[in-house]
Amino acid sequence: SQTIHQWPATLVQPVGSPLSLECTVEGTSNPNLYWYRQAAGRGLQLLFYSVGIGQISSEVPQNLSASRPQDRQFILSSKKLLLSDSGFYLCAWSPGTGGHYGYTFGSGTRLTVV
Amino acid sequence: KNQVEQSPQSLIILEGKNCTLQCNYTVSPFSNLRWYKQDTGRGPVSLTIMTFSENTKSNGRYTATLDADTKQSSLHITASQLSDSASYICVVSAGDSNYQLIWGAGTKLIIKP
Repeated sequence: SQTIHQWPATLVQPVGSPLSLECTVEGTSNPNLYWYRQAAGRGLQLLFYSVGIGQISSEVPQNLSASRPQDRQFILSSKKLLLSDSGFYLCAWSPGTGGHYGYTFGSGTRLTVV
Repeated sequence: KNQVEQSPQSLIILEGKNCTLQCNYTVSPFSNLRWYKQDTGRGPVSLTIMTFSENTKSNGRYTATLDADTKQSSLHITASQLSDSASYICVVSAGDSNYQLIWGAGTKLIIKP
C-alpha cells in the first residue's frame, strides 16, 4: 500500500533562518506531488506541484522553493524565512493527472517563525 | 472567479444527532467535487468524490449529494460520534487538470457528549 511521510511535525525557526521540509512517498512510482499551505481558518493554498523528477511548477510567487531530486521525494525550502511563512504545510500525492484522482495527504508540519 | 464557499463556518451538535454541511461553488469547467475530513493538526483525508453525473455517494455514516445544476453540494452526517469532530472541507476540481483544485475554507464541526 502507498504511504506518505512528512517531517518534522512541528518546527520553530527564527526569522532569516533557512528551511527544509521533506516529504517522501512509498509504494507507488511517478506520483504527482504537491506542497500546500494552510493558514488558520483559511482554505488550502497550493504552493508547488510536480509531475516528475526535476519538474516543479509554482502557483504562488513567494519566499519558498521546491525541489524533487528523486521520484518519490519532494522538498520545500527557503533561504531566509519571513514571519509570514508561518503556517501549516501539507505534502500530498496523487496517482497522476486527471481530475478524478483523489489526493493523499501527509500529516503536516506546523511551522512557526519567530 | 472560481470559488468554493462553505457554510456554516462552525457547528456544534450533540452526540448522536444528525447534521448537514453545505458547499456552494462557482467553478468552471467542473470536473468533480470532493469532501475531506481534517482532524486538528493533521492532513485532510478523503471522504467522497463525485463527478458531474453522480447525485449522491455514501461512505459509512457520511452521505454527500451533488446538484450540478445549482452548483451545490451537501455532506450529511448521521448519528454523529465524538470522533466526527473535525473540519470538513469541500474541494472542486476545475477542468481535467488534477492540480486545479479550488478549496473551501471548511466547516469546523464539534460534537459534544
